[in-house]
Amino acid sequence: NAGVTQTPKFRVLKTGQSMTLLCAQDMNHEYMYWYRQDPGMGLRLIHYSVGEGTTAKGEVPDGYNVSRLKKQNFLLGLESAAPSQTSVYFCAIRPHLGGGMRYGYTFGSGTRLTVV
Amino acid sequence: ELKVEQNPLFLSMQEGKNYTIYCNYSTTSDRLYWYRQDPGKSLESLFVLLSNGAVKQEGRLMASLDTKARLSTLHITAAVHDLSATYFCAVDLIGGGADGLTFGKGTHLIIQP
Repeated sequence: NAGVTQTPKFRVLKTGQSMTLLCAQDMNHEYMYWYRQDPGMGLRLIHYSVGEGTTAKGEVPDGYNVSRLKKQNFLLGLESAAPSQTSVYFCAIRPHLGGGMRYGYTFGSGTRLTVV
Repeated sequence: ELKVEQNPLFLSMQEGKNYTIYCNYSTTSDRLYWYRQDPGKSLESLFVLLSNGAVKQEGRLMASLDTKARLSTLHITAAVHDLSATYFCAVDLIGGGADGLTFGKGTHLIIQP
């Protein structure tokens, strides 16, 4: 998935541990998103950012925090992991509305997180 | 609240047959997206539909958008095994405090020889 890199790709956490997922982009887009994917649920928006220094809540923000200190990076944090946060996490980016939208959103390769 | 519904959620079909996946959404939007996902993989963009009446085709897949009916279709012609995957439609609402894609639950498609 050229342009969007997620790290790590896999992680196992114990309940109560913390971790940070990193999304890095090289396409210079303002808009970045974190989604989680659970079986039978599609993808659901956790948090998003419309530019450096900004963040906003999505559909399922509880238990997560985010930061966008640099334009190219969007961090997703779990302060105290719970088994309910076992999921696959995807980062996505998009260009400004207008001609660039013909390419749509670009997704990273995902992070598979298991909380035991 | 924007809701996106796909049907069917599961589809098993034979090679060579035609079929259509439907995507309905609840709030006016001019932008609809179709993605393909293979097991354990990320989402691959198939079609970006940006206006009423938009129709796009790629190989055996064709997507269309009717914004007045709030309906998009993904039509499969003469299916082949390689098209087995999960297909998602998604709609975005940008503005008014909202942003990002809202996804349907996906259509798990199995194409049998």
